[in-house]
Amino acid sequence: DGGITQSPKYLFRKEGQNVTLSCEQNLNHDAMYWYRQDPGQGLRLIYYSQIVNDFQKGDIAEGYSVSREKKESFPLTVTSAQKNPTAFYLCASSRLSSNEQFFGPGTRLTVL
Amino acid sequence: AQSVSQHNHHVILSEAASLELGCNYSYGGTVNLFWYVQYPGQHLQLLLKYFSGDPLVKGIKGFEAEFIKSKFSFNLRKPSVQWSDTAEYFCAVNTGFQKLVFGTGTRLLVSP
Repeated sequence: DGGITQSPKYLFRKEGQNVTLSCEQNLNHDAMYWYRQDPGQGLRLIYYSQIVNDFQKGDIAEGYSVSREKKESFPLTVTSAQKNPTAFYLCASSRLSSNEQFFGPGTRLTVL
Repeated sequence: AQSVSQHNHHVILSEAASLELGCNYSYGGTVNLFWYVQYPGQHLQLLLKYFSGDPLVKGIKGFEAEFIKSKFSFNLRKPSVQWSDTAEYFCAVNTGFQKLVFGTGTRLLVSP
């Protein structure tokens, strides 16, 4: 069953702590993306990667970091430098030949 | 910078009513256009897309959208909504390689 998995579904952290969100896909897609979804603001692009060991900043990359060591995996770290990290985080992937993106179920991060 | 506007933030309809959700984008070049839907508790999924050709595109579950280049619009329509259409709807535009720009979303509530 092909798709995108994100874990955990819910995540709580204390202020000042870094936290890593997992995203795995078995669709054999080259490109992967991280978005942040806030009420009334739609989805905003944090980082994206078109190939292993390479990634680019999106529109709101400050306070976040990523790695792309494997084609299937694109973890996102929310660092303590992110001023307002409480949000719903969505991971997506696509083929390089297509602009259609497929989304995972999301991780809801709450900073206490 | 490219932007996408969805002017209807919340829409409430009765079952069997007709639906039209507005989407306007700001970009003068070639665009790919998408409507995504997020049902309560589910993944963001593709409803329909326009790449080229017939400006009237049909998607899943009876939805359609019309691309009007002169108006920079890609409005979503459905002749008769059902309670199960209750969801949040996002318009998105691709203006460059791989990057999608999303609107702020429209929450649709269909009352039975």
